[in-house]
Amino acid sequence: DAGVTQSPTHLIKTRGQHVTLRCSPISGHKSVSWYQQVLGQGPQFIFQYYEKEERGRGNFPDRFSARQFPNYSSELNVNALLLGDSALYLCASSLGQYNQPQHFGDGTRLSIL
Amino acid sequence: GDSVTQMEGPVTLSEEAFLTINCTYTATGYPSLFWYVQYPGEGLQLLLKATKADDKGSNKGFEATYRKETTSFHLEKGSVQVSDSAVYFCALDNAGNNRKLIWGLGTSLAVNP
Repeated sequence: DAGVTQSPTHLIKTRGQHVTLRCSPISGHKSVSWYQQVLGQGPQFIFQYYEKEERGRGNFPDRFSARQFPNYSSELNVNALLLGDSALYLCASSLGQYNQPQHFGDGTRLSIL
Repeated sequence: GDSVTQMEGPVTLSEEAFLTINCTYTATGYPSLFWYVQYPGEGLQLLLKATKADDKGSNKGFEATYRKETTSFHLEKGSVQVSDSAVYFCALDNAGNNRKLIWGLGTSLAVNP
């Protein structure tokens, strides 16, 4: 069975640009969460979507947005990129919202020049 | 707010040594607790979980027991292998707190042959 897939695997952008990251959850999983992991630190929660609605938001600026599609795949959008946005962006899917183990993709490595 | 505290790394052990990585938490209610592992260059993988007090999670020779009285979820393995070299993250999921995983900072483990 396919796990969580993310695309692209690597991305290089310059300051001020925008970026769209994509995530396909495990088949049957309806919840998708996004995390930012800066090198050497633990993941920081950005968003959770369940049944195509936003169910949780972390402490990130409005430059960060996301959505979930009817097939439960998801996109994370970041506008007006800053150098500090350089990080590994992780997508995780789970069956439901509460106390469900999350299954992570390998992430998208975003580098801002 | 909810938080997770892990012992600082890096931890360096010889093959077949005993491993303990300490994890304590602060949370309201009754969170679920998880250990995730991140191998070099890879995404996060769920290692084990426990959903209520006194539960023991186990996988691949690793174990952790949910101790509510000491608010701890220490990870142990009786005999580590070189292939266990990775970063280990303790996390909690408290459904009453925005439904997101709260992560420790991670503990890097290096096992030498």
